This record gives sequence, C-alpha cells and structure tokens, in this order.
Amino acid sequence: DSGVTQTPKHLITATGQRVTLRCSPRSGDLSVYWYQQSLDQGLQFLIHYYNGEERAKGNILERFSAQQFPDLHSELNLSSLELGDSALYFCASSARGGQINTEAFFGQGTRLTVV
Amino acid sequence: TQLLEQSPQFLSIQEGENLTVYCNSSSVFSSLQWYRQEPGEGPVLLVTVVTGGEVKKLKRLTFQFGDARKDSSLHITAAQPGDTGLYLCAGERGSNSGYALNFGKGTSLLVTP
Repeated sequence: DSGVTQTPKHLITATGQRVTLRCSPRSGDLSVYWYQQSLDQGLQFLIHYYNGEERAKGNILERFSAQQFPDLHSELNLSSLELGDSALYFCASSARGGQINTEAFFGQGTRLTVV
Repeated sequence: TQLLEQSPQFLSIQEGENLTVYCNSSSVFSSLQWYRQEPGEGPVLLVTVVTGGEVKKLKRLTFQFGDARKDSSLHITAAQPGDTGLYLCAGERGSNSGYALNFGKGTSLLVTP
C-alpha cells in the first residue's frame, strides 16, 4: 500500500459527459501529480500541484482541469469526454516538488471507460 | 514524441535466465528512476540513479546510469516468476518552476516457471 488513495477505482461513462477523479496523497506529502496511462502512449504526465499551486503542466487537454485543495487532496476533472479518453488515470504524491531525486508514490489508479 | 525509449517492448523468458532491458534518450536527465508495475496496480519505485556511471544493486537487479546521464539499463540475474511485470524508466527534469517525471512506455516482462 503506497498510502495514496484514488477514487473511484472504475468509472464507466458516456461520451460528452464530465467526471471527477479524486486523489488523497500520502500523509504529509505536498506534491500531487496526475498521469494518464494508455496502451499506445504509456504513462503521460498531465499536471503537478505543490501545496495548492499548479507547478508544471504536461500533455493535459483543455477539456481537463485539476486542482489541489487546502487539505492537499486533489481532483482531476475531465469534461466533454471522448472515446479516446478511456485510460488509466494515476495520481502520485511526493514530499517535495521541483527537487532532484524526488520519490513519487503512486495510487492504484482509476480506470475510466468512455462508451 | 517519447523522450525515453525502452527496449525490448516485450520479453518472455524462463525462470533462471538472465536479461537486460534498456532505457535510452537523447536528453540529459538530472536523475533516472526505475519502476515496476503489476496489473491493476500503480508503478512502484525500485531505484533512483543520479550520478553518471552509477551502478546500484537491489538483490538480483542491477541498475546502471550511463556516463552522459542519457540512458540506463536494468539487468536481472536468474529471473523468477515474481519478477513478472511492466518495468518503466522515468527521467527527471527539474526546474525552478516545476518538476515532471517523463516515463518510457515500458518493457513488459513475463517469466515462466
């Protein structure tokens, strides 16, 4: 158990809909990262939050947004869903952000299926 | 565009065999991490290498960081069925404004008894 909790574990929804994925980081970790994993693209970095502030953006679509709340949990919002958004979405946390040799701990992921 | 290329993509071997998987890039990384991911789980960190030329051992696993810090290899000696999983390398490129781990697509390893 990594200490990172993601809910829900599975999500099936229709195209055009909006969903929210939730992540609770390890106790004391200030950084939260979101990744998307698909068979053809592998693990793609989406966005990084540190202590409530956005620190880095990767290949995140405009239809996607995220935030980190004062209690440090984070939510990833996916809207106007398309079939191609079906993937595993992982949240990871670490104690620090923007530092060398930062160890990231991953949750078990949310498997999103868009039908 | 994938910053890190991993090879081979798939590897199926028998218990007791040795194997090496590779992680290559044209970019320089401040550090490189290896993760193992099992079905239905998130990646779990195995090791971080920081210094060019560094070699780290974790039981039967040997990790090496290239001298130029652009590539890495993972060697497994006497593979066991428990080694089965997806091995991912991830390069760290930190900056003052943020940090991101860039992952390769992974090597899927199957070790059969």
